[in-house]
Amino acid sequence: GAGVSQSPRYKVAKRGQDVALRCDPISGHVSLFWYQQALGQGPEFLTYFQNEAQLDKSGLPSDRFFAERPEGSVSTLKIQRTQQEDSAVYLCASSLGPGLAGVIPKETQYFGPGTRLLVL
Amino acid sequence: GENVEQHPSTLSVQEGDSAVIKCTYSDSASNYFPWYKQELGKRPQLIIDIRSNVGEKKDQRIAVTLNKTAKHFSLHITETQPEDSAVYFCAASRPGTYKYIFGTGTRLKVLA
Repeated sequence: GAGVSQSPRYKVAKRGQDVALRCDPISGHVSLFWYQQALGQGPEFLTYFQNEAQLDKSGLPSDRFFAERPEGSVSTLKIQRTQQEDSAVYLCASSLGPGLAGVIPKETQYFGPGTRLLVL
Repeated sequence: GENVEQHPSTLSVQEGDSAVIKCTYSDSASNYFPWYKQELGKRPQLIIDIRSNVGEKKDQRIAVTLNKTAKHFSLHITETQPEDSAVYFCAASRPGTYKYIFGTGTRLKVLA
């Protein structure tokens, strides 16, 4: 079946511009995560949704970062007034989520291809 | 805070040799430990995972071991092939939060 998809794959923004990154999770996946991956580093957690509820936003680096998932499927990560330090790959992941037992652990996250953001 | 340390940062092996990557986690409540392979410019792909009620798990040439007491877990790749060359990340998560805490990655090079 279709995996997690993200768009755009690449984004170049001038410092101060607002950007919006989209994530389409695997159909039926309750949980959705956003991570930020700097060059040569491991992904770092930004925020977590269970359906439409944002249950954890402890990883968002500043109030310029905002995420939403209004209908419990597609999610958008918005960065306002972009800065050069925002340059990174933004990864989205989805998982079956809590309460759905099965052979595959419900914690297993499936990642999208990422959006590479470059702020000039 | 929660932390996962990963070693080594780079690893070069001859084709056919074994490779071992080690991770240490700080949160004793962690109960799920996945390993991801990431090729350049591609998405992280799950290669194997282990839960805290199991000490070892194997899948063909790949195995993961877990020592809960020491809070260590390791990835073992046997009979390495050039296509195993990639960056490998370990991660840990705890019940309730579900977010992953990732290690810093190991760049594996398999030399033909």
